Amino acid sequence: EDQVTQSPEALRLQEGESSSLNCSYTVSGLRGLFWYRQDPGKGPEFLFTLYSAGEEKEKERLKATLTKKESFLHITAPKPEDSATYLCAVASNYQLIWGAGTKLIIKP
Amino acid sequence: GAVVSQHPSRVICKSGTSVKIECRSLDFQATTMFWYRQFPKKSLMLMATSNEGSKATYEQGVEKDKFLINHASLTLSTLTVTSAHPEDSSFYICSARPLQGSYEQYFGPGTRLTVT
Repeated sequence: EDQVTQSPEALRLQEGESSSLNCSYTVSGLRGLFWYRQDPGKGPEFLFTLYSAGEEKEKERLKATLTKKESFLHITAPKPEDSATYLCAVASNYQLIWGAGTKLIIKP
Repeated sequence: GAVVSQHPSRVICKSGTSVKIECRSLDFQATTMFWYRQFPKKSLMLMATSNEGSKATYEQGVEKDKFLINHASLTLSTLTVTSAHPEDSSFYICSARPLQGSYEQYFGPGTRLTVT
């Protein structure tokens, strides 16, 4: 059964303290892995698409990487405005299978 | 690019009435649109997938007669919650997929429905 698991469920960091969020997946035939950011009361905002193991993408303080079993979202020197829930999804048969998300809180 | 709008952003209605939510892709054409529901502190739950000009495909457990979906054009999909009840109160979010063969989805800002 296709499955996506995100960890940790919540992560509290001090401003400037770098860390990583994990997205583990089992899917029959990966057609893409997606990272989104969601602020409270808003729709998810698209961040990255990764298609193959070894691929990396960067945007400001965020860097996403992909292996055959998992993806990491690295956040470098985060700021309070990076606080949000980060969602990971895997494409299978034209639908996205969603992880439960990691709630990231950056304290000033 | 890839902007999706939803209207209204918030709606309060009385039990037994119907509510329509619109989802528009503003700067691209979307052959496929998706409707999600999200409960507090939970991830997204796919309700249905709609393709322009054809009937929507509903996920298991989602009542198609209660949640009517129309995808009338390549830029507009609507979700109508019929005979709403308090348990239908939720955050409804639509998304649109720009290209056939692409898996990326772009989301609207969501609609908060409260049924009193």
